Amino acid sequence: EVELVESGGGLVQPGGSLRLSCAASGFTFSSYWMSWVRQAPGKGLEWVANIKEDGSEKYYVDSVKGRFTISRDNAKNSLYLQMNSLRADDTAVYYCVHRWDHWGQGTLVTVSS
Amino acid sequence: EIVLTQSPGTLSLSPGERATLSCRASHSVSNNYLGWYQQKPGQAPRLFIFGASNRVTGVPDRFSGSGSGTDFTLTISRLEPEDSAVYYCQQYGSAPYTFGQGTKLEIK
Repeated sequence: EVELVESGGGLVQPGGSLRLSCAASGFTFSSYWMSWVRQAPGKGLEWVANIKEDGSEKYYVDSVKGRFTISRDNAKNSLYLQMNSLRADDTAVYYCVHRWDHWGQGTLVTVSS
Repeated sequence: EIVLTQSPGTLSLSPGERATLSCRASHSVSNNYLGWYQQKPGQAPRLFIFGASNRVTGVPDRFSGSGSGTDFTLTISRLEPEDSAVYYCQQYGSAPYTFGQGTKLEIK
């Protein structure tokens, strides 16, 4: 059974940094693209970034380019999102997503002073 | 960027009725890579339809997707109380993989 478990969320001040992690199991992690999707409180869904199986290709939504970095460690079956220069509008639940049909439970990131 | 516009914003129907949710794209969706998700409060989204018209395993056959190019529809026949949720469409044919703003379906 596929399982995705996010961690690393929390409260951070504007301008600060946070690193999210996603532990994957139940499938061959190294064979799939992976994505991060976020949802601001009471709002809709926004795709944030994705990464190719071997990490050689990465794509980002414009609003996070230059601030967020997606990465993966296939030996650890883990996906990461390094978030720098955080802003209030980055406040959201961040989901780790596999093949669009498997989502983690999400981790809440709150950017506030 | 492909902008997806969903309508209506809110739909209020009774059990047993038929719901028709629309998703219109600003540009043609590559390979009809269009998905529909159901999201209930406090839960992660759940993929119901992929490739515009393919039901995910385990999704009741009351749910069906149709359309191509720029116009897509999610139809729920014979509504049941548990269908109450927000439904999102998403295109995953070209980055950025955009979502519609959602349709809230209320069951009276």
